[in-house]
Amino acid sequence: SQQGEEDPQALSIQEGENATMNCSYKTSINNLQWYRQNSGRGLVHLILIRSNEREKHSGRLRVTLDTSKKSSSLLITASRAADTASYFCATALTGNTPLVFGKGTRLSVIA
Amino acid sequence: GAVVSQHPSWVICKSGTSVKIECRSLDFQATTMFWYRQFPKQSLMLMATSNEGSKATYEQGVEKDKFLINHASLTLSTLTVTSAHPEDSSFYICSARLAVNTDTQYFGPGTRLTVL
Repeated sequence: SQQGEEDPQALSIQEGENATMNCSYKTSINNLQWYRQNSGRGLVHLILIRSNEREKHSGRLRVTLDTSKKSSSLLITASRAADTASYFCATALTGNTPLVFGKGTRLSVIA
Repeated sequence: GAVVSQHPSWVICKSGTSVKIECRSLDFQATTMFWYRQFPKQSLMLMATSNEGSKATYEQGVEKDKFLINHASLTLSTLTVTSAHPEDSSFYICSARLAVNTDTQYFGPGTRLTVL
């Protein structure tokens, strides 16, 4: 069953703007991960945030995690046309369980 | 980083035939591999968890007799779609985990199956 729900389902922005995607989940988690997928291609791992962490940065990416609200956000700053892709959050209940993916956000960055 | 490959990358077959998809961990031994299915414009849905040397654990609603999974070695898992039908057309993605209690799953590039 789907664990995460992303919103918005689709987002269209101009190049240079920031893009924010949100993810909500239903149960306690060990960690939450964000992935990118270009159309028809495989997954690219972006960032992992553990349940005891509140914020992580990686380049132009900023991820926050609020376990009390069971939600996470992914911020992409200064977006580029090459950021156009689908973005998924995925959660793991424990270190042993498989990742369960949210429905994803389709991001379009217009040059 | 660890690399996971899938073969074939795409396959077209006739309805009623069986198709085998291979998932290999190229530079590490994977105790556990996972199989996901993704329909167009949808998310990845977990199909099954496969541990080397034991039977796969299937998610609810996934027919184990239709989707045969074999994990005979620490570097290879196979998914066989038996008697494929057009509704089985999908993008199949495997992932591998290095060891128990590790956070990272390494994903393969996916296999696009089209059943005519």
